[in-house]
Amino acid sequence: AQSVTQLGSHVSVSEGALVLLRCNYSSSVPPYLFWYVQYPNQGLQLLLKYTSAATLVKGINGFEAEFKKSETSFHLTKPSAHMSDAAEYFCAVSDTGAGSYQLTFGKGTKLSVIP
Amino acid sequence: DGGITQSPKYLFRKEGQNVTLSCEQNLNHDAMYWYRQDPGQGLRLIYYSQIVNDFQKGDIAEGYSVSREKKESFPLTVTSAQKNPTAFYLCASSIVWTGGETQYFGPGTRLLVL
Repeated sequence: AQSVTQLGSHVSVSEGALVLLRCNYSSSVPPYLFWYVQYPNQGLQLLLKYTSAATLVKGINGFEAEFKKSETSFHLTKPSAHMSDAAEYFCAVSDTGAGSYQLTFGKGTKLSVIP
Repeated sequence: DGGITQSPKYLFRKEGQNVTLSCEQNLNHDAMYWYRQDPGQGLRLIYYSQIVNDFQKGDIAEGYSVSREKKESFPLTVTSAQKNPTAFYLCASSIVWTGGETQYFGPGTRLLVL
């Protein structure tokens, strides 16, 4: 069964500092991996996804993530935090195996940006 | 503009009452999903549908029911059997689902118990 662990339910960074949100996954087959962002009382929006092409994936709003198979990780980074980045971020995994129809989400990391 | 609409934004349920949450999409997507979100729990899949007139249970289907009579609509009914229905409910859709497609989310419905 696939699963996702997001380290740190709450992360605080200063405006202009590096953002690093951690995601580790377990999957019995090569996975698809996603990062979504959620602003308060809204739905989720896709930031980026890995679907077995380039291991470094660039997304919207200056975010990127690197797929590291040996570490089973897909950490999300942004070089310089902006106040508008304050939100909750979810990592998700789905298996590429036949018959797997589920996207499994982590519990989320709330990002606070300090002015 | 194409997208997913959910209504109502807030819904109040009385004890023993069934309530229905609406989800409509005009993206021409075949696959649709319902998720439940609780604070600190992430999203959990309730039901999904890959095609009209077909749907499958997710991880937490007990106390919920769905129908998929039209491609663009996937309503969720929270029945009286669901003893803890207070949560944020999110509907999503994707073109199809083979694992790598983007799921697009609606704005959500917050269900509260009176």
